[in-house]
Amino acid sequence: NAGVTQTPKFQVLKTGQSMTLQCAQDMNHNSMYWYRQDPGMGLRLIYYSASEGTTDKGEVPNGYNVSRLNKREFSLRLESAAPSQTSVYFCASIRLAEYNEQFFGPGTRLTVL
Amino acid sequence: AQSVAQPEDQVNVAEGNPLTVKCTYSVSGNPYLFWYVQYPNRGLQFLLKYITGDNLVKGSYGFEAEFNKSQTSFHLKKPSALVSDSALYFCAVRAYSSASKIIFGSGTRLSIRP
Repeated sequence: NAGVTQTPKFQVLKTGQSMTLQCAQDMNHNSMYWYRQDPGMGLRLIYYSASEGTTDKGEVPNGYNVSRLNKREFSLRLESAAPSQTSVYFCASIRLAEYNEQFFGPGTRLTVL
Repeated sequence: AQSVAQPEDQVNVAEGNPLTVKCTYSVSGNPYLFWYVQYPNRGLQFLLKYITGDNLVKGSYGFEAEFNKSQTSFHLKKPSALVSDSALYFCAVRAYSSASKIIFGSGTRLSIRP
C-alpha cells in the first residue's frame, strides 16, 4: 500500500495562475480532507468529502475548489492563486467510522509569488 | 462550533524528565480526541485517541493522554522524555454529532535537550 499520495511535492506559481493539487489513497477509505499548514496556525481544514459524491466546506474554503473524482481521488484547485495561499497543503483520509484516525499524505509545498 | 486550543507554542524538557503537552477543546456533545506528531518535512502521524471508556489512553512511543471531561482537556504525557521525541505535536477533536469534521489545534513544538 502506498497510503496517501500527493502530487506535486513542490510548486511555485505566479499570482493569478491556476493549478490543481492531486491526492489519492489506496486504503479504500471513505472520507478525505484537505488542510493547509501555516506557521503558528496549525492545520486548518479547507474542504472535506465525507463520502464519494459529497464535499463540504471547512474553516478556510475561500479561493479553493475541490473535486471528489472517485473513492480514491480528491483534488484541490486554486483558480487564481494569491500570495496568501502560500502554504503547505496536506491531504488526509479516514476509514468509515468517525472515531478512526486520519492518514496523512507527505504534503505539497506551494509558493505563490 | 468546534475548537481546540494548545496554549503553549513550545515546551522545553530535559531528557529523562516527564513531559506534558496541553490541549483543551470545545465541542457540542461528546468528543473524539486525537494526538498527532509531525517530524520535519513530513506529514502527520497518529499517536493515540480517546473514544470512550478509560480516561487514560496509551499510544505509540510510550505516550499517553488523560481525558478530563470537567476541564475539557486532553493533555499528552510521557514519563521520561527522549531527544527523539522532539517534534511538532497536534491535538484534534471531532464531535460525535459531526459527520466528518475534524479540527486541529495550532500545534506545540516539543524540544528535548540532552
